[in-house]
Amino acid sequence: EAGVVQSPRYKIIEKKQPVAFWCNPISGHNTLYWYRQNLGQGPELLIRYENEEAVDDSQLPKDRFSAERLKGVDSTLKIQPAELGDSAVYLCASRTTGTPDTDTQYFGPGTRLTVL
Amino acid sequence: GENVEQHPSTLSVQEGDSAVIKCTYSDSASNYFPWYKQELGKRPQLIIDIRSNVGEKKDQRIAVTLNKTAKHFSLHITETQPEDSAVYFCAASPLNDYKLSFGAGTTVTVRA
Repeated sequence: EAGVVQSPRYKIIEKKQPVAFWCNPISGHNTLYWYRQNLGQGPELLIRYENEEAVDDSQLPKDRFSAERLKGVDSTLKIQPAELGDSAVYLCASRTTGTPDTDTQYFGPGTRLTVL
Repeated sequence: GENVEQHPSTLSVQEGDSAVIKCTYSDSASNYFPWYKQELGKRPQLIIDIRSNVGEKKDQRIAVTLNKTAKHFSLHITETQPEDSAVYFCAASPLNDYKLSFGAGTTVTVRA
């Protein structure tokens, strides 16, 4: 079974430029998460989707961040414009429902963003 | 919201010795506690988890204990090996909420 796929793996941009990250969750996983992981810290939730619905976006800085999961499968996270403080690893995770390991979140490899 | 604190931030052990990482949480509604291992430049991977209806769970050299009264849980790694070197994160979530709050991580180094 393929794991959570993310692209690109690395991105370097100048401040004020836009950037987008893509995530394809494990097949059949209804729930998709976007996390931000700053250097030396644990992941922090940005947004959670149940199918195509964003059910928790309270931590998403909505002035510059946006996300979508139009068909309830893959998802895109966008930052426009990027700021220096946005440099971090952006992790996507997914979770299934209706099985014994329904709590388990499976993470992708992340996109390392550097804003210059 | 939930606040998870993790100690120590770094841990160096001799190969074959045990390693213990401790976490505390603030939200008494939390009842799912996973531990993730993250090697440098790689994705976090679940190594063990525990739910509040049990006090201890073991999987080969890894064990987790939970004290709900004191709101703390710990990861124990026995007979450490060089491949155990990584960053370990604890997390907590209310069951059926599926919103994980992570600790800041512990960098474990196993000396050969």
